[in-house]
Amino acid sequence: AQSVTQPDIHITVSEGASLELRCNYSYGATPYLFWYVQSPGQGLQLLLKYFSGDTLVQGIKGFEAEFKRSQSSFNLRKPSVHWSDAAEYFCAVGAGNDMRFGAGTRLTVKP
Amino acid sequence: ETGVTQTPRHLVMGMTNKKSLKCEQHLGHNAMYWYKQSAKKPLELMFVYSLEERVENNSVPSRFSPECPNSSHLFLHLHTLQPEDSALYLCASSQDHPTDTQYFGPGTRLTVL
Repeated sequence: AQSVTQPDIHITVSEGASLELRCNYSYGATPYLFWYVQSPGQGLQLLLKYFSGDTLVQGIKGFEAEFKRSQSSFNLRKPSVHWSDAAEYFCAVGAGNDMRFGAGTRLTVKP
Repeated sequence: ETGVTQTPRHLVMGMTNKKSLKCEQHLGHNAMYWYKQSAKKPLELMFVYSLEERVENNSVPSRFSPECPNSSHLFLHLHTLQPEDSALYLCASSQDHPTDTQYFGPGTRLTVL
């Protein structure tokens, strides 16, 4: 069955520390992959996406993600977190007309 | 600014009411989407319209009825809802379906009493 898993429901990091949010998927075909961010009271905003080509993708706000086919993963990273990065992060995976979102990871940033 | 607006932002309705949610995109996109976001559940894709035709309907109960009169507007008509339908309803649009980036509106917070 097709699925998207974000294993971490909630992560807390200190400001300035590095960040990695995990995303694993199970899809029959080669999917296309997205990371979205949602601030309180807002809709989702795209951070980055991967369709093909270079497996390391650069996004907005200093985020990057790496597609690892062998691990069925698309983890999101940022070398130095800012307080404004506190939000909910969603991984999404699609193939054909199907699009599925993970349950989300809530990021808290400590001063 | 996302270019996708949703009204109303908040809605409280009884189970016997009929109401409609409205979404408008100002981006010239060809595809529009309705999602349901419930607490502690993944975002659920409800409906997809591409070039004003419905292309996806993920087993959504008939008490939810979408309408796409043109490529800029999308409605979600609600009738005889249940308390478990209380959620944030998000609208999104993309240039084309399914691979283009989706741009989301701020959502309508729906409470069913």
